[in-house]
Amino acid sequence: GQQVMQIPQYQHVQEGEDFTTYCNSSTTLSNIQWYKQRPGGHPVFLIQLVKSGEVKKQKRLTFQFGEAKKNSSLHITATQTTDVGTYFCAGNAGNMLTFGGGTRLMVKP
Amino acid sequence: DAGVTQSPTHLIKTRGQHVTLRCSPISGHKSVSWYQQVLGQGPQFIFQYYEKEERGRGNFPDRFSARQFPNYSSELNVNALLLGDSALYLCASSLGQGNSPLHFGNGTRLTVT
Repeated sequence: GQQVMQIPQYQHVQEGEDFTTYCNSSTTLSNIQWYKQRPGGHPVFLIQLVKSGEVKKQKRLTFQFGEAKKNSSLHITATQTTDVGTYFCAGNAGNMLTFGGGTRLMVKP
Repeated sequence: DAGVTQSPTHLIKTRGQHVTLRCSPISGHKSVSWYQQVLGQGPQFIFQYYEKEERGRGNFPDRFSARQFPNYSSELNVNALLLGDSALYLCASSLGQGNSPLHFGNGTRLTVT
């Protein structure tokens, strides 16, 4: 079945440093979605990418979808303590959205 | 507008028992999906229902079942509970099936002892 892998599993950064998480799917995706889950909370939808090579920005967050539609990345510029949480990518192939294992971001003030 | 609501918030059960979890989607959303999230892992897909029909099923045993009602609310049932069923059970609603973004509820924390 479809597998979605994320690296790294954990990332500690100093406030102000950049952060990147990478997502790879075993199959070609129709689209990819990104979610953020704060400690003790539930996943919250951030963005959806649909087109091959698509790049979208939300303030300090930049999302990319690979040309082959099998990989994606999320880059945060100048992290803040409010960025703390686990970032999940979720790949859509058919009616099933498969989540990666997530990257837990910890920010030291 | 109310978001996705789940009940109960916490539940403690004994091995072998049965549990029913409930979910009310956002008004206007016709699709409900259920996910299991074990601590430290990503959500694992269990079921998707759209317009009261099962549209997708993850790799879970037959002890897991679900249904969607005419008002689009949903129930997840788990029979013969095992210790490994302890997890956060998340319900998510969306406008359509497939590609629509998911709106998650706060989840039900199930502990099996």
